[in-house]
Amino acid sequence: GEDVEQSLFLSVREGDSSVINCTYTDSSSTYLYWYKQEPGAGLQLLTYIFSNMDMKQDQRLTVLLNKKDKHLSLRIADTQTGDSAIYFCAESIGGTYKYIFGTGTRLKVLA
Amino acid sequence: NAGVMQNPRHLVRRRGQEARLRCSPMKGHSHVYWYRQLPEEGLKFMVYLQKENIIDESGMPKERFSAEFPKEGPSILRIQQVVRGDSAAYFCASSPAGGLVSYEQFFGPGTRLTVL
Repeated sequence: GEDVEQSLFLSVREGDSSVINCTYTDSSSTYLYWYKQEPGAGLQLLTYIFSNMDMKQDQRLTVLLNKKDKHLSLRIADTQTGDSAIYFCAESIGGTYKYIFGTGTRLKVLA
Repeated sequence: NAGVMQNPRHLVRRRGQEARLRCSPMKGHSHVYWYRQLPEEGLKFMVYLQKENIIDESGMPKERFSAEFPKEGPSILRIQQVVRGDSAAYFCASSPAGGLVSYEQFFGPGTRLTVL
């Protein structure tokens, strides 16, 4: 099937790390993405990873990819209240324009 | 440089009416994508257009839905005779190029359609 799965909610305290998980479906996906959606706004690309990488770090963001299990995670270090949003993972089917999105994880950061 | 713009942001229609959703891509972008997000679901690909051409409409329902991207003006997603099940958020994205190679897609804020 073409379902990308994510847990719906995550709540963390300010300053802690957040880990958002995603299970994707297509082993031919070349690119895997993390998008952030703030209330009333469009999706903002946070980071992406090529399928031949295991890890990518970008400031407070760390992406881990386990191709064997088709598992992708996004770690946000030192989570801030401004990180509260919905986070979507997405895969690019065959490396093309066809993106398959997960249901989104709503991250709530408690002060 | 303005981002992708969509209007209206909220649209309410009664069953049987028509809904027209507009998307202006980022400046310099000639590739447009429409996605639909049903409540509690992820975004689903609907259609991919270039100027005056529909490239891939495999995700769009065959009936009542149509999309265009004219030479001048915004891309339009049109839903005729709306039903309650059409209630969703409709997102538009654009990219500077496209085709079979994946390019970053820049998303608009979406149009929330409510069908009464």
